[in-house]
Amino acid sequence: NAGVTQTPKFQVLKTGQSMTLQCAQDMNHNSMYWYRQDPGMGLRLIYYSASEGTTDKGEVPNGYNVSRLNKREFSLRLESAAPSQTSVYFCASSYWTEGNSFGSGTRLTVV
Amino acid sequence: AQTVTQSQPEMSVQEAETVTLSCTYDTSESNYYLFWYKQPPSRQMILVIRQEAYKQQNATENRFSVNFQKAAKSFSLKISDSQLGDTAMYFCAFMKQASGSRLTFGEGTQLTVNP
Repeated sequence: NAGVTQTPKFQVLKTGQSMTLQCAQDMNHNSMYWYRQDPGMGLRLIYYSASEGTTDKGEVPNGYNVSRLNKREFSLRLESAAPSQTSVYFCASSYWTEGNSFGSGTRLTVV
Repeated sequence: AQTVTQSQPEMSVQEAETVTLSCTYDTSESNYYLFWYKQPPSRQMILVIRQEAYKQQNATENRFSVNFQKAAKSFSLKISDSQLGDTAMYFCAFMKQASGSRLTFGEGTQLTVNP
């Protein structure tokens, strides 16, 4: 039982490049999330998917797109990376109100 | 919108002693859930404890307990018999009952346990 798996763990991009962060969970959770973590600001929600086939914006969605590919997978895409998107990104999933289960994070640096 | 505030950016405690981390929140909701997460240097987010707002009894998990004051909108975490492995960033988080289970986090408190 792997829980929440996200890839890659580290990535360096040049300004303007694009990339997709992948996330998969094997806990049969309905809801999935993407957060970003910046120093002194805790985690902030980028996008979430309450159930398969639905996605909604969170607190900081600008510059990102998401795809809920199926119940297991939820990807985050940066179309044109900017230095302001340098951050640690976490994928998470949840079953109702039990709290989020998190992946191990992706450290992204945009130069 | 909900807000969560952790007013202690850093704290330290001696091994085997007790420490309390503070958290306050602001909401107009009556049904919600509160959480404490631990983030050690490995970066992994680990759920420490969960509290349902409709329950008056404070949640406990081994050495971890909370003091939940609903009227004061306060949710502090007490760690007893602190261990070196408790050194981590601790985040307080809020979840509305009908919010798709998404979390609103505080800024975090870096706890260091000294030998």
